[in-house]
Amino acid sequence: EVQLVESGGAVVQPGASLRISCAASGFSFEDYTMHWVRQVPGKGLEWVSLINWDGEDTYYADSVKGRFTVSRDNSRNFVYLQMSSLRAEDTAFYYCAKDRGYTSSWCFFDSWGQGTLVTVSS
Amino acid sequence: IVMTQSPDSLAVSLGERATINCKSSRSVFYGSNNKNYLAWYQQKPGQPPKLLIYWASTRESGVPDRFSGSGSGTDFTLTISSLQAEDVAIYYCQQYYSTPPYTFGQGTRLEIK
Repeated sequence: EVQLVESGGAVVQPGASLRISCAASGFSFEDYTMHWVRQVPGKGLEWVSLINWDGEDTYYADSVKGRFTVSRDNSRNFVYLQMSSLRAEDTAFYYCAKDRGYTSSWCFFDSWGQGTLVTVSS
Repeated sequence: IVMTQSPDSLAVSLGERATINCKSSRSVFYGSNNKNYLAWYQQKPGQPPKLLIYWASTRESGVPDRFSGSGSGTDFTLTISSLQAEDVAIYYCQQYYSTPPYTFGQGTRLEIK
């Protein structure tokens, strides 16, 4: 069974940095592109970032480009999102999501974690 | 690509049909493989989204067959043929055509009448 477990969410001040993590299990992690999708509480979904199976290709939403960095550790089955220069509008639940494509990026999401809440507030 | 769903909310009686529409600002159809790059998700309160439909009309494994997707190009529909109480949720469409960003519709809240 696929499991994705996010951690690291916290309350931070504007301008701060934070790294959130996603632990994956139940599938061949090294063969799949992984994504981060966020959701402001009570609002809609926003795709944030992707990292392909070997970490060589990464993409970001314009709203986070230059501030967020996605990475992965295939030896430990983790994907990370390093967030810097955080703003109030970054406050959201951050979900880790598995791409459906095997060794390719299809860019729709067949498994999701429960999310971790990042709150940016002074 | 901007995704626009209609209606924003919908109330349907148990056992009746529910229809949710999704329109993309440009076509998400790839002629080279004859596929529409459109997915539907269901999100229940306090839960992450769940994949229902991909390639516009392919039902994910384990999804009840009362859920169906249709449409092509820029106009798509999610239909629940006979609404059940457990279908109360917010439904999102998402396009995954070409390069990022991969955008979602604003969501449609489905309730029981």
